[in-house]
Amino acid sequence: DSGVTQTPKHLITATGQRVTLRCSPRSGDLSVYWYQQSLDQGLQFLIQYYNGEERAKGNILERFSAQQFPDLHSELNLSSLELGDSALYFCASSARGGRSEQFFGPGTRLTVL
Amino acid sequence: GQQLNQSPQSMFIQEGEDVSMNCTSSSIFNTWLWYKQDPGEGPVLLIALYKAGELTSNGRLTAQFGITRKDSFLNISASIPSDVGIYFCAPLEGGNQFYFGTGTSLTVIP
Repeated sequence: DSGVTQTPKHLITATGQRVTLRCSPRSGDLSVYWYQQSLDQGLQFLIQYYNGEERAKGNILERFSAQQFPDLHSELNLSSLELGDSALYFCASSARGGRSEQFFGPGTRLTVL
Repeated sequence: GQQLNQSPQSMFIQEGEDVSMNCTSSSIFNTWLWYKQDPGEGPVLLIALYKAGELTSNGRLTAQFGITRKDSFLNISASIPSDVGIYFCAPLEGGNQFYFGTGTSLTVIP
């Protein structure tokens, strides 16, 4: 158990809908990262938050947004969903920048029908 | 942009055999990490390398930080069935980790 929790574990929805994925980092970790992993694909970095502020952006679509709240949990919002958005979405946390490793949650499997 | 090439893409080996995989990048990094992802799970850190030329072991795993700082290698000795999974390299940039290699899928045949 990494200490990172993600909910829900599975999500099935229809095209055009909007969903919110939730992540609680390890206790004390300030940084949260979101990744997308499509079938047979590697991990694609989406966005990083550090202590409530956006720190870095990767290949995140404009239809996607995220935020980190004062209690350090984070939410990833996916809107106008398309079939191609079906994937595993991972959240990871780390203590801070520098040489700190990332700890990954179990992921949310999103299926868009 | 950043290019990370990991090879081989997949491996099918007999239990007891040794495994080697590597990761090369187009940029220089100061830290290399190796993760393993079990089916249906999130990646878990296996080994961290912080200096060029460094050789680090963790049980049957040995990883090396290439002297050019553009590559890294992971070896698994005497593979066992629970070694099955996808192995990813992940270099750190500016202290933050954004990139993962394309992954090496390992299948161990008992």
